[in-house]
Amino acid sequence: DTGVSQDPRHKITKRGQNVTFRCDPISEHNRLYWYRQTLGQGPEFLTYFQNEAQLEKSRLLSDRFSAERPKGSFSTLEIQRTEQGDSAMYLCASSFGQGTQPQHFGDGTRLSIL
Amino acid sequence: GENVEQHPSTLSVQEGDSAVIKCTYSDSASNYFPWYKQELGKRPQLIIDIRSNVGEKKDQRIAVTLNKTAKHFSLHITETQPEDSAVYFCAAKAGTYKYIFGTGTRLKVLA
Repeated sequence: DTGVSQDPRHKITKRGQNVTFRCDPISEHNRLYWYRQTLGQGPEFLTYFQNEAQLEKSRLLSDRFSAERPKGSFSTLEIQRTEQGDSAMYLCASSFGQGTQPQHFGDGTRLSIL
Repeated sequence: GENVEQHPSTLSVQEGDSAVIKCTYSDSASNYFPWYKQELGKRPQLIIDIRSNVGEKKDQRIAVTLNKTAKHFSLHITETQPEDSAVYFCAAKAGTYKYIFGTGTRLKVLA
């Protein structure tokens, strides 16, 4: 099964540290999404890439968050100067082609801020 | 702003009974509505979706209905089984790329 993979699965860090997560989408998928999910809530949209271009970014995404998809394949999400409120599950999803196609999610990276 | 409301937040049914989860969306331009099932500690998995040009879609024991006028869509699971126990999320596509998710429904199927 060559689904969406995310690394690491878990990350524990101290407040104020920087963290970086990686997402490898399904190989032929040109669209990539990042979401944040907190306990008891649905996934919250963070940002969207079509190939290497970041086409949409949530207004909720502070300037401490940055995402890249340099070659249109894998993507990284970096959080600088982490805060307690950043503790959450960070989910990546990908989809293929033009128009509206179903998204396929990865298992996520669970971030815990001490 | 865009919003998706989902009800109920928890739902318990006896095995073999039906379960219905309802969502309401705010953006009248939304044209795609997926439903996801998420088991504890696992990834959300797409179980069914519907586009705005269709009123109903069925896949075995799962069906989704859409009322565009009321901006309302529902998930129906018939003949529920214990393995249907999970959290279910509805979502609506808002704008060109963004998806708004509901807050989830925890379904418990009692054997």
